[in-house]
Amino acid sequence: SQTIHQWPATLVQPVGSPLSLECTVEGTSNPNLYWYRQAAGRGLQLLFYSVGIGQISSEVPQNLSASRPQDRQFILSSKKLLLSDSGFYLCAWSGGGASYEQYFGPGTRLTVT
Amino acid sequence: GQNIDQPTEMTATEGAIVQINCTYQTSGFNGLFWYQQHAGEAPTFLSYNVLDGLEEKGRFSSFLSRSKGYSYLLLKELQMKDSASYLCAVDSYNTDKLIFGTGTRLQVFP
Repeated sequence: SQTIHQWPATLVQPVGSPLSLECTVEGTSNPNLYWYRQAAGRGLQLLFYSVGIGQISSEVPQNLSASRPQDRQFILSSKKLLLSDSGFYLCAWSGGGASYEQYFGPGTRLTVT
Repeated sequence: GQNIDQPTEMTATEGAIVQINCTYQTSGFNGLFWYQQHAGEAPTFLSYNVLDGLEEKGRFSSFLSRSKGYSYLLLKELQMKDSASYLCAVDSYNTDKLIFGTGTRLQVFP
């Protein structure tokens, strides 16, 4: 069966510090991978998605970046965090394009202070 | 552009029926998802509609009208555990991404 891992579960970081969130998927090959952010009480904002190794599509211009160094690994990074980067970060995978069900990881709650 | 609208909050009583609406405007519409998200947790899949009509899955049903750009999620025999946010999401042809609505927070009271 397929599983998706995200870590850390919670993170408190000062403004201006770097960020690295990792997501890994097990039990499937060549998944589509997604990073979303959810501000308190809000919907899901798509940040990045990837259909293959090294292929990243950015949806929102911001100080975040994403990389996919391996087939089942997706990393979200920032060189300098802003207060507005606080939120609940969710990684998801699917077996194909947008018409496929997406499976979400447990999420990382990031607080920038 | 793409636009998805859902009510922000709804309340209902245990045992009742509630209908959560979603309207959308999008080019190249393909299908519509409903996800459930409990507070502090990840969303989980409920349904996916591509064709017009009602699809039933136990206590939950989802309806789609492509011509009207409209969908609803119907929850019957409400239980306290149904208190959650319900997210509507749209996918379009030739894309690899979903566009999510802001979600409807449902509170079920005893």
